[in-house]
Amino acid sequence: EVQLVQSGTEVKKPGESLKISCKGSGYNFSSFWIGWVRQMPGKGLEWMGIIYPGDSDTRYSPSFQGQVTISADKSINTAYLQWSSLKASDTAMYYCSRHLWFGEFGPFDIWGQGTMVTVSS
Amino acid sequence: EIVLTQSPGTLSLSPGERATLSCRASQSVSSSFLAWYQQKPGQAPRLLIYGASNRATDIPDRFSGSGSGTDFTLTISRLEPEDFEVYYCQQYGSSPHSFGQGTKLEI
Repeated sequence: EVQLVQSGTEVKKPGESLKISCKGSGYNFSSFWIGWVRQMPGKGLEWMGIIYPGDSDTRYSPSFQGQVTISADKSINTAYLQWSSLKASDTAMYYCSRHLWFGEFGPFDIWGQGTMVTVSS
Repeated sequence: EIVLTQSPGTLSLSPGERATLSCRASQSVSSSFLAWYQQKPGQAPRLLIYGASNRATDIPDRFSGSGSGTDFTLTISRLEPEDFEVYYCQQYGSSPHSFGQGTKLEI
């Protein structure tokens, strides 16, 4: 079964760092772009960026460039989303998702279960 | 950056009726690289339609997509009770692969 399993709920303080993960299984992890999507409480979906685990080629939305870092370790089939200094406005559900096919331009067909990040003093 | 505008924001219909959801792009979407997703509360989105008109795996045929260029439509031919959720369009033809703001389909 093709699946993405994300790391668990996080509660952090403003200014702290964080790295959440997304582990793929059941397919050739290196060959499919993986993306991250933010959903703030009660709001819509926001495309943050994508990474190709095979060579770590990455694309960011201008809205998130410089605010987060997307990375991947193909040896353990895992993608990451990290912050160096969290803000309260980073409070959201974060989903990872896989492209339907090979290639940079694709819809998301397989989704992780989401990681809830709460940032509060 | 392509901005997607979905309308209406909320659509009130009854089971058995036909739903028509719109997604308009601020510029032409390359190769009709337009997808539709359904999201239930507390769940990840589910891919319904890709390439503007292709149903994803296991999606019932009451869901259909159409359109090209800047205007796209998701049609649900006969609404079932489980269809009353939130729907998003997404363009993946140019980076960033933006989402629309969503349409809530309510009973």
